[in-house]
Amino acid sequence: DQQVKQNSPSLSVQEGRISILNCDYTNSMFDYFLWYKKYPAEGPTFLISISSIKDKNEDGRFTVFLNKSAKHLSLHIVPSQPGDSAVYFCAASAINTGTASKLTFGTGTRLQVTL
Amino acid sequence: DVKVTQSSRYLVKRTGEKVFLECVQDMDHENMFWYRQDPGLGLRLIYFSYDVKMKEKGDIPEGYSVSREKKERFSLILESASTNQTSMYLCASISRVGQPQHFGDGTRLSIL
Repeated sequence: DQQVKQNSPSLSVQEGRISILNCDYTNSMFDYFLWYKKYPAEGPTFLISISSIKDKNEDGRFTVFLNKSAKHLSLHIVPSQPGDSAVYFCAASAINTGTASKLTFGTGTRLQVTL
Repeated sequence: DVKVTQSSRYLVKRTGEKVFLECVQDMDHENMFWYRQDPGLGLRLIYFSYDVKMKEKGDIPEGYSVSREKKERFSLILESASTNQTSMYLCASISRVGQPQHFGDGTRLSIL
């Protein structure tokens, strides 16, 4: 039972354009969401997070949007750069439950930024 | 800066062997985690620990065990390695609830 879904396994975007990565979740107890970026042969690195009390969080070129009613979040990267080419994982946790520090990950989206 | 160190980047073992994967963090974090990453499946939680000598099963604990004798070290044990345990194994730690997990660089384990 995949509680966090990333339905696009891959995405190709031109340099300078916007990249939009999507994530859906099914567990209504999730209240904290994160995006991680992973290069081959390295561990995931944290990018940006959002709490369910917000609907948007911005950090430089990265913005995460949360639509709680649709159980959907998205990561926008503007402008996209070749160094952004990586696999992006969305993750969710339920802070207000006993499993507060546990993360459930999506299957990942491979982003390729072309010149 | 948080440092999570996994003892091996690449490991090749044979079926039936007992395999130990080690993870050390240097930030006095309470919570530590072991995941495996497989193509098309994302990261799946094997076990986690919220204190020394405490452990909890994650989503796919079968065939694995863990040990947390010291706060900074969390070991994953494959009791009798099988080929379906060939995977990338990732260790992570977290300082407190609501903070992001910090990951090691992973161990790519091949079971022949």
